[in-house]
Amino acid sequence: DTGVSQNPRHKITKRGQNVTFRCDPISEHNRLYWYRQTLGQGPEFLTYFQNEAQLEKSRLLSDRFSAERPKGSFSTLEIQRTEQGDSAMYLCASSPGRRGPGYTFGSGTRLTVV
Amino acid sequence: AQTVTQSQPEMSVQEAETVTLSCTYDTSESDYYLFWYKQPPSRQMILVIRQEAYKQQNATENRFSVNFQKAAKSFSLKISDSQLGDAAMYFCAYRSSDDKIIFGKGTRLHILP
Repeated sequence: DTGVSQNPRHKITKRGQNVTFRCDPISEHNRLYWYRQTLGQGPEFLTYFQNEAQLEKSRLLSDRFSAERPKGSFSTLEIQRTEQGDSAMYLCASSPGRRGPGYTFGSGTRLTVV
Repeated sequence: AQTVTQSQPEMSVQEAETVTLSCTYDTSESDYYLFWYKQPPSRQMILVIRQEAYKQQNATENRFSVNFQKAAKSFSLKISDSQLGDAAMYFCAYRSSDDKIIFGKGTRLHILP
């Protein structure tokens, strides 16, 4: 297993378009997290899953955002009707559980909305 | 709600010297975890060191060590014998009982050759 994989690495889209990002966690990790990071800031929590169940969504996650983890393996994060303010790095992380060694992060997907 | 504060936006240290990055946090929980993550310019977050709140002994990982003061809610990172590869953003992070990790705003560390 090579760690947490995120695709695409970069995405440029026009305002109003929909985009979808994918995250493949470490296979034995049952928890998966999405964060958003803007330039010069720390990552901000968006949502997380235990297996296929979405346990919490941040208030940052507007109705235009939706995340799924249909079979408890990979996850997708979709943004509908993108806005310029959505431009950010979207980070995915996974962990084996709270008592584990902490999150393992992917390299992120950088979204630019023009 | 828990918060994490890093009061040093940027720091510089001479190569081979020691530097300490500060972090304070606020929580009403007694059982939690604290972390320092490193984010080099390539942007992938890497776990540097981890501290369980119930352990009094400060964590150490090679050149990296922490000073965990639970009563003061302080969690500083000391990097000894700084190397050029240590240049990065460093984030202090708190893991709560509901398993969310909350990050500070980060400290950008420059290593001067």
